[in-house]
Amino acid sequence: DAGVIQSPRHEVTEMGQEVTLRCKPISGHDYLFWYRQTMMRGLELLIYFNNNVPIDDSGMPEDRFSAKMPNASFSTLKIQPSEPRDSAVYFCASSLGGGTGNSYEQYFGPGTRLTVT
Amino acid sequence: RKEVEQDPGPFNVPEGATVAFNCTYSNSASQSFFWYRQDCRKEPKLLMSVYSSGNEDGRFTAQLNRASQYISLLIRDSKLSDSATYLCVVGFYSGAGSYQLTFGKGTKLSVIP
Repeated sequence: DAGVIQSPRHEVTEMGQEVTLRCKPISGHDYLFWYRQTMMRGLELLIYFNNNVPIDDSGMPEDRFSAKMPNASFSTLKIQPSEPRDSAVYFCASSLGGGTGNSYEQYFGPGTRLTVT
Repeated sequence: RKEVEQDPGPFNVPEGATVAFNCTYSNSASQSFFWYRQDCRKEPKLLMSVYSSGNEDGRFTAQLNRASQYISLLIRDSKLSDSATYLCVVGFYSGAGSYQLTFGKGTKLSVIP
């Protein structure tokens, strides 16, 4: 398996522009997570999906952020309009299930490094 | 109070040394515990799960104390390749498809030749 795939790997944009980050989870995984990582705040959960349904979006910073999962193999995180404080590394992760033991392991993609100027 | 707290370090240790990291968590209903490793400018990867009875994987030993809400990671005979940031992770599953992991900010380890 190719693992979790994210694109783009790097994105530089100007304040006010729309940014769309993409993620392809590992095939067969039921859960998909979007995280944001900064030096100040560490790794923060933004939103997660179970079987394509958003379960908890309480971590989404504000209405400028939105996420979708139209099918089991694709998800997007959109920021509109973007601001300099959105600069961070955005990770997508997937896991097999929500039971006990190894099904909790989350596999992370390589991340998208976003810079908003 | 932060949900998962770790000493950020850095811990600078010589090769061959033994080093221990600690972590505390605030949610007493947490059900799963892990250590993830993150190399510089890379994604986090699972290092090991942490079980109530304690568990060992080669040079790595993890322990959990539910009463004190405390997790530890011990690395013996440190190698240069162990240099990374170690993230303490706590999971909570409430059923009905709702569960999530909470990550600590990590402890940075540098193993020096």
